[in-house]
Amino acid sequence: GEDVEQSLFLSVREGDSSVINCTYTDSSSTYLYWYKQEPGAGLQLLTYIFSNMDMKQDQRLTVLLNKKDKHLSLRIADTQTGDSAIYFCAESGGGATNKLIFGTGTLLAVQP
Amino acid sequence: DGGITQSPKYLFRKEGQNVTLSCEQNLNHDAMYWYRQDPGQGLRLIYYSQIVNDFQKGDIAEGYSVSREKKESFPLTVTSAQKNPTAFYLCASSISSVHEQYFGPGTRLTVT
Repeated sequence: GEDVEQSLFLSVREGDSSVINCTYTDSSSTYLYWYKQEPGAGLQLLTYIFSNMDMKQDQRLTVLLNKKDKHLSLRIADTQTGDSAIYFCAESGGGATNKLIFGTGTLLAVQP
Repeated sequence: DGGITQSPKYLFRKEGQNVTLSCEQNLNHDAMYWYRQDPGQGLRLIYYSQIVNDFQKGDIAEGYSVSREKKESFPLTVTSAQKNPTAFYLCASSISSVHEQYFGPGTRLTVT
């Protein structure tokens, strides 16, 4: 079945780059998404990439997609303490419903 | 301000009682979704609706019910048949079923 996997925890120092990784299984996914969740809040859409793209850059965020290996990464440049949150990778399940399959989330801790 | 509102933010109920969670959006989105989030897990789809007066079961619909009488509203009822209702519930909407989803702030339900 469809599955999305992420590492549970990442710790970085303020000012460094963070790289959060994700692997997925559904090769028919049309879009892949990155969401951010701060404590006790809903999910904020950060960025998404269409499956026929290799890379997308949006200010401090860079998304890399390796379709062959079904690997997605989110790089945050110049990481700030405000970036501390849980980051979810999600793939669209394909078809007309755009059902999203979420990973378990990666907790990013930014040390001052 | 356009957005998705969920109320209340915290909800407490006794076991055996039905409870309805509210979700309203003023984004003129056709599609709406309900997800459940448990600690350390990703989001799981409960129900979704692609258009008014239509809705479909997600992966974990048992013990839940929904209605979609108005485009802007998609209430979720957690019934007494739901064996483990304590969780964080998130509502989302999208322009259509093939577009990116935007999330509300969530409702934390505690059943004792």
